[in-house]
Amino acid sequence: TQLLEQSPQFLSIQEGENLTVYCNSSSVFSSLQWYRQEPGEGPVLLVTVVTGGEVKKLKRLTFQFGDARKDSSLHITAAQTGDTGLYLCAGARGQNFVFGPGTRLSVLP
Amino acid sequence: DAGVIQSPRHEVTEMGQEVTLRCKPISGHNSLFWYRQTMMRGLELLIYFNNNVPIDDSGMPEDRFSAKMPNASFSTLKIQPSEPRDSAVYFCASSWGSSGGLYEQYFGPGTRLTVT
Repeated sequence: TQLLEQSPQFLSIQEGENLTVYCNSSSVFSSLQWYRQEPGEGPVLLVTVVTGGEVKKLKRLTFQFGDARKDSSLHITAAQTGDTGLYLCAGARGQNFVFGPGTRLSVLP
Repeated sequence: DAGVIQSPRHEVTEMGQEVTLRCKPISGHNSLFWYRQTMMRGLELLIYFNNNVPIDDSGMPEDRFSAKMPNASFSTLKIQPSEPRDSAVYFCASSWGSSGGLYEQYFGPGTRLTVT
């Protein structure tokens, strides 16, 4: 059983479209991180959210932490082909993080 | 900074052989993490060190796996003997933080291990 669930598992969209991916759990996390991983590389940290209800923006990416700190969403506006990759969420568990299975995003030109 | 350095980038070995993966963390970071990534199980934490001391090794699959961090700039993950089910991409990550603090992990490029 996954501690963190991510949906959708796969997403293929056209350049310029908007999208939202989700990270859900039955557990409360003290903080949550989002990473993007490109083929052949390690994950790269995008953002850390700490406070319930917190919203952070990173250019066209908007991250939200649920009020109960059990879930999070990532919204991408006007997707670009460079956004293609595996998006991973990771919840703080004790002194380390547990990762979700990821959403694999393909943005087509 | 060169980032987290891992070697080798690719390793192909036969079942039963010993495999050693190496990691050089970012200078100044005091925590180091070893992960394994497969399509079936995703990214799994194997072990992590804080100030060169192993803190949590509950993710290490079995006794065939061992990890060491002899100093702040070097760590190894050893598999002996290796088995085909060990085939995966192994990542090393480092961060700076104290117990209970927020870890911003920086990942290396990974070692793709294939055991035939």
